[in-house]
Amino acid sequence: QVQLQESGPGLLKPSQTLSLTCTVSGGSISSVDYYWSWIRQPPGKGLEWIGYIYYSGSTYYNPSLKSRVTISIATSKNQFSLKLSSVTAADTAVYYCVREDLENWFDPWGQGTLVTVSS
Amino acid sequence: QSVLTQPPSASETPGQRVTISCSGSSSNIGRNIVNWYQQLPGTAPKLLIYSNDQRPSGVPDRFSGSKSGTSASLAISGLQSEDEADYYCAAWDDSLNGVVFGGGTKLTVL
Repeated sequence: QVQLQESGPGLLKPSQTLSLTCTVSGGSISSVDYYWSWIRQPPGKGLEWIGYIYYSGSTYYNPSLKSRVTISIATSKNQFSLKLSSVTAADTAVYYCVREDLENWFDPWGQGTLVTVSS
Repeated sequence: QSVLTQPPSASETPGQRVTISCSGSSSNIGRNIVNWYQQLPGTAPKLLIYSNDQRPSGVPDRFSGSKSGTSASLAISGLQSEDEADYYCAAWDDSLNGVVFGGGTKLTVL
């Protein structure tokens, strides 16, 4: 079955750019049936959808983060990536990569990676 | 403050039935499907109910979902200790142009 795995630095300083990659195994990221998404969860808090990318490269972002977010896709590597610029402590969270159905449910989820922003 | 409103906590004894509510508006639940996620302690969320009332394969039929108007509910019958988790509802919001989540409900099995 499809599995997703996040990778990237776990500690950033304020104003830096967060960069994470999600590697998809057990299925093709070029499928027409799914979006590929990022969701985050600050420690002890709820879930926030960041945005998605389609195999074609089209993207859709949470309006509250849109000015700082870029999601890209590398179909040859079966990977997609997240960049979030100008991070602050408020961006400290567990970041999940997820497969998103075209009707916007999320399954499966990666195990998540904690990114801490601290000076 | 979450766009979808859930009670922060719920509790019930083993074997009993519990219902978790999710309240939204005409721009989200009122127009779009509702999905539910279960997050066991220290783990990633897992899809529990999709398209209002559908269970993915492997999810016990003790879990059920429903939607009416601008509200949705998750019901868990025959409660077991392993059901102790955080539960989140989610839906697309046509006004905000994105997926919105409820704040989550922490279920305690007494």
